[in-house]
Amino acid sequence: DAGVIQSPRHEVTEMGQEVTLRCKPISGHNSLFWYRQTMMRGLELLIYFNNNVPIDDSGMPEDRFSAKMPNASFSTLKIQPSEPRDSAVYFCASSPTQGVSYEQYFGPGTRLTVT
Amino acid sequence: GENVEQHPSTLSVQEGDSAVIKCTYSDSASNYFPWYKQELGKRPQLIIDIRSNVGEKKDQRIAVTLNKTAKHFSLHITETQPEDSAVYFCAATSYAHTDKLIFGTGTRLQVFP
Repeated sequence: DAGVIQSPRHEVTEMGQEVTLRCKPISGHNSLFWYRQTMMRGLELLIYFNNNVPIDDSGMPEDRFSAKMPNASFSTLKIQPSEPRDSAVYFCASSPTQGVSYEQYFGPGTRLTVT
Repeated sequence: GENVEQHPSTLSVQEGDSAVIKCTYSDSASNYFPWYKQELGKRPQLIIDIRSNVGEKKDQRIAVTLNKTAKHFSLHITETQPEDSAVYFCAATSYAHTDKLIFGTGTRLQVFP
């Protein structure tokens, strides 16, 4: 198994541009999580899906952020317009079981820099 | 909602010594407590976890203890090695309410040879 796949691994963009981050969870996992990691705020949960349905988006910072999961094998996190304070490492993670807390498998992350 | 506090923020030990990291949580319904290790530039990876029906769990040089009454849990690393140097995160969740993991702020462990 290739594990959780994220793309791109690095993204550098200018303020105001749209950014789309992509994630492919581990096959068979039915929960998917988007996290943001910064030195100041640590590891923050932005949103998570279960069986492709958004369950909790209370961590999404503002309307500039949106996430979708059109099918069990793909999810996107979009920032529009991007701002310098969005610079962070964004992790996607997946987990195999609904309703029971099992291990979350993290992807390699996308390092976003907004100038 | 759940809140997880982690101490210390940094920890330096000599190779061969033990290291202990402590976390407290606020939600008495929490029943799953994983520990993740994140090496520099890498992703967080689970190293050990414990459920609320168990007081202690060991895996070679690492162990986790849980005190549900006091709402705290700890990670113990014995015979530390330089490759144990990383940031360690505790987390807590309540599967009765959510699949969310609430992470602590992390402990940067440095093991000096």
